[in-house]
Amino acid sequence: AQSVTQLDSQVPVFEEAPVELRCNYSSSVSVYLFWYVQYPNQGLQLLLKYLSGSTLVESINGFEAEFNKSQTSFHLRKPSVHISDTAEYFCAVSEGAAGNKLTFGGGTRVLVKP
Amino acid sequence: NAGVTQTPKFQVLKTGQSMTLQCAQDMNHEYMSWYRQDPGMGLRLIHYSVGAGITDQGEVPNGYNVSRSTTEDFPLRLLSAAPSQTSVYFCASSYGGSLETQYFGPGTRLLVL
Repeated sequence: AQSVTQLDSQVPVFEEAPVELRCNYSSSVSVYLFWYVQYPNQGLQLLLKYLSGSTLVESINGFEAEFNKSQTSFHLRKPSVHISDTAEYFCAVSEGAAGNKLTFGGGTRVLVKP
Repeated sequence: NAGVTQTPKFQVLKTGQSMTLQCAQDMNHEYMSWYRQDPGMGLRLIHYSVGAGITDQGEVPNGYNVSRSTTEDFPLRLLSAAPSQTSVYFCASSYGGSLETQYFGPGTRLLVL
């Protein structure tokens, strides 16, 4: 069975500083990996995803994540955060090509301070 | 497009009461799902549907029923509410399965006393 661990429940960071959110997964088959973001009082939105190809994937707002199969990780990074990046971030995994189930991690709350 | 809509936004129930959480989407998505969100536990899949007339269980299905009579609607029923069902419930939809971008509704906050 697949599972996802987000090692940090909260990450405070100053504006314009870099941030890294850690995500590790466990699965016995091929996986597909996602990062979703939840802004206050809203539903989740897809930030980026890895399905195949290049192991480095990027979002339109400056986030990037790298799939590392040997370390079973999919860490999310941004070199310079903005106040508007304050949100909760969820890593998720889906197993196999025909998977219909997403498994989410516990979430990491990012608080960007001025 | 309204996207994914959920009603009500907030509900208080007494233990043993029943209710239906409504979810609708106007994007002609085949795949719909229900999650509950609890602090520190992320989102957990309750039930999902790959098309009208087809539903299946997720990770935490006990205490919940679903049906999918139309492509647009996917209601979640609590037959006998329990305090352990106090949570925020999210409905999501996508063109395909879990590999496609999931579009989430705004959520329903449920308090069971």
